[in-house]
Amino acid sequence: DIQMTQSPSSLSASVGDRLNITCRASQSIGIYLNWYQRKPGKAPKLLIYAASSLQSGVPSRFSGSGSGTDFTLTISSLQPEDFATFYCQQSYSARTFGPGTKVEIK
Amino acid sequence: HLVESGGGLVRPGGSLRLSCAASGFTFNTYTMNWVRQAPGKGLEWVASLSSSSTYINYADSVKGRFTISRDNAKNSLFLQMNSLRAEDTAVYYCTRENYDSSGEYNWFDPWGQGTQVTVSS
Repeated sequence: DIQMTQSPSSLSASVGDRLNITCRASQSIGIYLNWYQRKPGKAPKLLIYAASSLQSGVPSRFSGSGSGTDFTLTISSLQPEDFATFYCQQSYSARTFGPGTKVEIK
Repeated sequence: HLVESGGGLVRPGGSLRLSCAASGFTFNTYTMNWVRQAPGKGLEWVASLSSSSTYINYADSVKGRFTISRDNAKNSLFLQMNSLRAEDTAVYYCTRENYDSSGEYNWFDPWGQGTQVTVSS
């Protein structure tokens, strides 16, 4: 199975901050990489698919980049509703999620 | 709309069968998946089944113990879980695979509300 890692595992940030969350695959996965946001008690919400394609309805402050093994989710200006856990997920071979990055209020 | 059922408390080594009832879309045209989340842990993909049951994939952690299946006539997805272990304790979610317009890139959406499985003596 392809293994996914994320860094950091958690962070504290303030409203207005710029955030970068990284995701690394154990082998090349092209751009078969999705990003989800998960809030407690809610289903995961797709933010980015195919590494950099913004899902319809998702604010433009979210963006994704990368290919191969290294990927980044960027939030350009953190908003109060963005505090959540973020997961990457590969769809190149079977399916695997990263361990998640919890974003908390500083 | 996806609704899971069948969770509960089971002893180590026991078995459980989860069900997922789908509605609101053409079930027999979609690949379906099970994803779980253990207490305090992240999301873990468990198994995937293509629309006509041709392609099946399992996470290494459940291979040989879990079996995914579907009944397209009844718009239902199943997960037969045998030889259950404490580490299988989790909320299990049923989720559909969606594809972009090119048909090449996919993601999970929607998700059910989940069903709790607890493996404990």
